[in-house]
Amino acid sequence: KNEVEQSPQNLTAQEGEFITINCSYSVGISALHWLQQHPGGGIVSLFMLSSGKKKHGRLIATINIQEKHSSLHITASHPRDSAVYICAVTEGGNQFYFGTGTSLTVIP
Amino acid sequence: NAGVMQNPRHLVRRRGQEARLRCSPMKGHSHVYWYRQLPEEGLKFMVYLQKENIIDESGMPKERFSAEFPKEGPSILRIQQVVRGDSAAYFCASSPMTDTQYFGPGTRLTVL
Repeated sequence: KNEVEQSPQNLTAQEGEFITINCSYSVGISALHWLQQHPGGGIVSLFMLSSGKKKHGRLIATINIQEKHSSLHITASHPRDSAVYICAVTEGGNQFYFGTGTSLTVIP
Repeated sequence: NAGVMQNPRHLVRRRGQEARLRCSPMKGHSHVYWYRQLPEEGLKFMVYLQKENIIDESGMPKERFSAEFPKEGPSILRIQQVVRGDSAAYFCASSPMTDTQYFGPGTRLTVL
């Protein structure tokens, strides 16, 4: 069983839709990260969370420590948001545990 | 401040050859991590290094793989006698003393 589970695995949305990607984890964590990986490209860190909620532009990340759950929301989605979104957690050491990613396609 | 740099970006090797992947961390970062992303799979931790020390290599295959982070110069991930199953994207990340890791662009290794 993976320490980090993401859903859905694949997501297709129309431009402008509100998108939610979910992440559940089974280990005690010190921080949770949301990462973005474009096709053939590198990895960009979007958020690091240990509690509450963070917002950056059209992206919002929330975390519920008691429920061991986090969500990444994208408002007013755009085709350039198409990418793989990866949830990762750290237990306080330095090792990351990664989800398998959610592949998002936003259609114009 | 330049980001994490990895080279080469693409590397092609024949079975049995050696692959050397380099990672230059961000300035001021003394912690380096290597991750592997196999085709159609998620990222997996390989090794965590500080300058001149391997801190955690629990994700490294027992044979053919080694990593170093010398006092001077980049971190090196070395794969000896490569096999087709080693074909993957290898990502390096660096960090200061916090939980935040900054990822490099990755090296895509293809073994023919």
